[in-house]
Amino acid sequence: AQSVTQLGSHVSVSEGALVLLRCNYSSSVPPYLFWYVQYPNQGLQLLLKYTSAATLVKGINGFEAEFKKSETSFHLTKPSAHMSDAAEYFCAVTGHGSSNTGKLIFGQGTTLQVKP
Amino acid sequence: DGGITQSPKYLFRKEGQNVTLSCEQNLNHDAMYWYRQDPGQGLRLIYYSQIVNDFQKGDIAEGYSVSREKKESFPLTVTSAQKNPTAFYLCASSLRTGHGETQYFGPGTRLLVL
Repeated sequence: AQSVTQLGSHVSVSEGALVLLRCNYSSSVPPYLFWYVQYPNQGLQLLLKYTSAATLVKGINGFEAEFKKSETSFHLTKPSAHMSDAAEYFCAVTGHGSSNTGKLIFGQGTTLQVKP
Repeated sequence: DGGITQSPKYLFRKEGQNVTLSCEQNLNHDAMYWYRQDPGQGLRLIYYSQIVNDFQKGDIAEGYSVSREKKESFPLTVTSAQKNPTAFYLCASSLRTGHGETQYFGPGTRLLVL
């Protein structure tokens, strides 16, 4: 069974600083991995998605994530934080297999605070 | 514009009352999903539908019911059997179910108990 762990429920950075949000997954089969962002009282918006085509995935708003199979990680980074990046971020996994229904397994979420 | 709409934005439920949350999509997607979001718990799958007139229970289906009579619509009913319904409900859709399909989310409905 697949699972996702996001390390750190809250992360605080200064504007202009590096953003690093951690995600580790557990999967017995090659996974598909997603990062979504949620602004207050809104739905989720896809940031990026890993589908095994390339280990470094570039997404919207300057975010990227690197798939590391040996570490079972898919951490999200952005070189320079902007105030508008303040939101909640979710890592999710779905796997292969005959019983797979495309169900997304979500992590608990990480709230990113950006200080001026 | 293509997208997913949910209504209402806020919904209040009295004790013993059933309430229905609306979800409509014009993306021509086959698959639709309902998730429940509670603070600090991520999103949990309630029900999903792979095709019209078919739906399956997710991880927390007790106290909820759905229908899928039209491709565009997937309403969720929160029944009186759901003892703790206060949450943010999110509807999503994807072109089809299966490996790696991207799910697109609606804006959500916040359900509160009076």
